[in-house]
Amino acid sequence: GQQLNQSPQSMFIQEGEDVSMNCTSSSIFNTWLWYKQDPGEGPVLLIALYKAGELTSNGRLTAQFGITRKDSFLNISASIPSDVGIYFCAGSSGAGSYQLTFGKGTKLSVIP
Amino acid sequence: GAGVSQSPSNKVTEKGKDVELRCDPISGHTALYWYRQSLGQGLEFLIYFQGNSAPDKSGLPSDRFSAERTGGSVSTLTIQRTQQEDSAVYLCASSPPPIGETQYFGPGTRLLVL
Repeated sequence: GQQLNQSPQSMFIQEGEDVSMNCTSSSIFNTWLWYKQDPGEGPVLLIALYKAGELTSNGRLTAQFGITRKDSFLNISASIPSDVGIYFCAGSSGAGSYQLTFGKGTKLSVIP
Repeated sequence: GAGVSQSPSNKVTEKGKDVELRCDPISGHTALYWYRQSLGQGLEFLIYFQGNSAPDKSGLPSDRFSAERTGGSVSTLTIQRTQQEDSAVYLCASSPPPIGETQYFGPGTRLLVL
């Protein structure tokens, strides 16, 4: 089946630093999604990408849909303590497909 | 509240007992999903309901797992004869039509099987 490799698994950064994480796939996806999960909560959608090469921002977050459709990255600029959490990438392979494949997550810790 | 709600928040049970987990999707959302999240892992798809169509049960790990969705709204995930490896967070999500739209997650039920 489809698999997503998400890296890094965890990160410790100083407040104010920029962060980058990425996902790669063994197969093509037509939609890439980035979610954040806080402790004790369900994942919350941050950014959705629907077109190869698309670059989308949401505040301090920027994500790109790789041109090969097999990868995506998420950048967080000027990190703050509330950025702490686990970030998941997810991909969907077909138009109108409901099936999402999730990466294993990147755990972000921000040192004040 | 306007979000997906799940109950109970936490459940501790003994091996061999049955458990029922409940999900209330966002009003008007026709699609409902169940996922399982084990410690340090991503989300594992379990089952998908869309309107009145037959559910996609392809992700259910064994015949001890079953789910229903009554009246196109509330869903119950049932695990029979629980095993220790069933311990995980069970997440429910819903999405509006059309198919493929963004999934909105509930807070999850943390299940611990002793």
